[in-house]
Amino acid sequence: GEDVEQSLFLSVREGDSSVINCTYTDSSSTYLYWYKQEPGAGLQLLTYIFSNMDMKQDQRLTVLLNKKDKHLSLRIADTQTGDSAIYFCAESRGRGYQKVTFGTGTKLQVIP
Amino acid sequence: KAGVTQTPRYLIKTRGQQVTLSCSPISGHRSVSWYQQTPGQGLQFLFEYFSETQRNKGNFPGRFSGRQFSNSRSEMNVSTLELGDSALYLCASTAAPTSTDTQYFGPGTRLTVL
Repeated sequence: GEDVEQSLFLSVREGDSSVINCTYTDSSSTYLYWYKQEPGAGLQLLTYIFSNMDMKQDQRLTVLLNKKDKHLSLRIADTQTGDSAIYFCAESRGRGYQKVTFGTGTKLQVIP
Repeated sequence: KAGVTQTPRYLIKTRGQQVTLSCSPISGHRSVSWYQQTPGQGLQFLFEYFSETQRNKGNFPGRFSGRQFSNSRSEMNVSTLELGDSALYLCASTAAPTSTDTQYFGPGTRLTVL
């Protein structure tokens, strides 16, 4: 079955770059997502990448996909205290298949 | 455009009771999915509805059920509540299952079972 793994915790200093990593097992994954969850809130979609891409940049966010190794990463440049949250990696097969499998989440702590 | 709304935001029930949670998708969105989030199990897919039909179902017991109305609003019901049902229940909507749009999540309903 599908499985998505992430490290549980990451601590960085304000202004540094953060890199959150994720591995997945389903080779049928078509869409790979990064979501952000702040305390007491639902999930906010940050960005997503199609499996036929290897990189996507969106302002301070850069997503890298290594499809061969089934490895996804999210880089946050110039990390701010407001970036402190739990970040979830997720995958789905996309069209016609709305079941999304989420990773365990990585808690990002930004130290001022 | 208003986001996905879920009611109630917080709920406290006792074991053995049943509960109904409501989700209103983004206007124009016709597909609604439900997820359960717990510290131990993380985010798990419950089910997905489109055009009042359940299209996908996760690995949950039959105590968990749902439905979708003609206006795309969805409800999920949990009967005979157990302590382990305490969780954040998240609803997400997309325009349609065949859309390239991704899911947009509501703030969730926090259910506590005592």
